[in-house]
Amino acid sequence: ETGVTQSPTHLIKTRGQQVTLRCSSQSGHNTVSWYQQALGQGPQFIFQYYREEENGRGNFPPRFSGLQFPNYSSELNVNALELDDSALYLCASSLGAGGLNTGELFFGEGSRLTVL
Amino acid sequence: AQSVTQPDIHITVSEGASLELRCNYSYGATPYLFWYVQSPGQGLQLLLKYFSGDTLVQGIKGFEAEFKRSQSSFNLRKPSVHWSDAAEYFCAVVGASKIIFGSGTRLSIRP
Repeated sequence: ETGVTQSPTHLIKTRGQQVTLRCSSQSGHNTVSWYQQALGQGPQFIFQYYREEENGRGNFPPRFSGLQFPNYSSELNVNALELDDSALYLCASSLGAGGLNTGELFFGEGSRLTVL
Repeated sequence: AQSVTQPDIHITVSEGASLELRCNYSYGATPYLFWYVQSPGQGLQLLLKYFSGDTLVQGIKGFEAEFKRSQSSFNLRKPSVHWSDAAEYFCAVVGASKIIFGSGTRLSIRP
């Protein structure tokens, strides 16, 4: 059974740039959710994708966008990077549209983004 | 609005001692409640969850939690901690297609 993998593990960008983070979901899982975890804070829910459609979103501006592909892998895109976007970005996979509700989330180890 | 409060930022307990981590939530309906653990450099792992029914739920690694509606609490307990329990613990509530995490409690173990 393949777990959730994220890439890259670390990256550095400058203000105003754009970044794409990638996530491969656990085998058999069709739902992916993304989270931003600032240093010393809990994860904040960004959005969830189920069968290539966004079906839940937290309080993040539109410059945070995503995609889910037919193989259920996913991308998080952030445009016009700001210093406050520096954080650990976590991806979690689950099964079914209600995966978020069941709490059966399987997390990757995250991508650490630093914005200078 | 949903919210989760973990009042203790950092707790240190001796190995073999009992543990209780506090979690208070705010949610209008019956909540779905969870505890996750995050070891350094790792993603989160689900410890246990509460949906309904028995208010005392058992989880992995010997953890349990008790849901108390009257106190809006869902505290995590373990009778005897091990050095490997040192980690960050997050309480979370789900509702309206969103999950809200608390800010976490860092647990240190004293040898």
